[in-house]
Amino acid sequence: GENVEQHPSTLSVQEGDSAVIKCTYSDSASNYFPWYKQELGKRPQLIIDIRSNVGEKKDQRIAVTLNKTAKHFSLHITETQPEDSAVYFCAASANYGGATNKLIFGTGTLLAVQP
Amino acid sequence: NAGVTQTPKFRVLKTGQSMTLLCAQDMNHEYMYWYRQDPGMGLRLIHYSVGEGTTAKGEVPDGYNVSRLKKQNFLLGLESAAPSQTSVYFCASSFRASGSIPGEQFFGPGTRLTVL
Repeated sequence: GENVEQHPSTLSVQEGDSAVIKCTYSDSASNYFPWYKQELGKRPQLIIDIRSNVGEKKDQRIAVTLNKTAKHFSLHITETQPEDSAVYFCAASANYGGATNKLIFGTGTLLAVQP
Repeated sequence: NAGVTQTPKFRVLKTGQSMTLLCAQDMNHEYMYWYRQDPGMGLRLIHYSVGEGTTAKGEVPDGYNVSRLKKQNFLLGLESAAPSQTSVYFCASSFRASGSIPGEQFFGPGTRLTVL
């Protein structure tokens, strides 16, 4: 089955710097890669996602890149702000004949933005 | 529109006790999921459902049972709780995949369960 590895587990940056979180996946059938942000004590919320037919997607200060050949994808946050501090999870989904949307999550990255 | 809700928010059980966690969604989603979240391990899928009356096992199903008698509700049961089931439990729901494009999963607020 699918396995997702996420690095680093913790990341500390200065406000205004960029942050990059990387994930690798094992199942070449995976076609959907969402990123979730989870603030302390809150529920995970989708911040950006990318489909396997796209190499890069950007939404304001957040971007995600996908390398299908190498089976890895990355989250890029530019001009970080203290409110970006949270745990970020990557995930990969393989859609088996349209029957399910199972997501396999990475272990999370705790991002701390120092003012 | 409440989205995805979970009850209870907190619960403390003794080993061997049973309980049921309730998840409800008002977005008319076909798919529903139960995850557990443990420190350093991310979110792991326990069971899921692709429609009313259907359930399937996820990554870590042992010790749990589920039921989906109504489209809007997904119940997670612990028949005989163990300390290893101490965790934060999240429910999620989504529309079915459109072609090969999965639907976004929306999460509930979580239930913090402690088993002594």
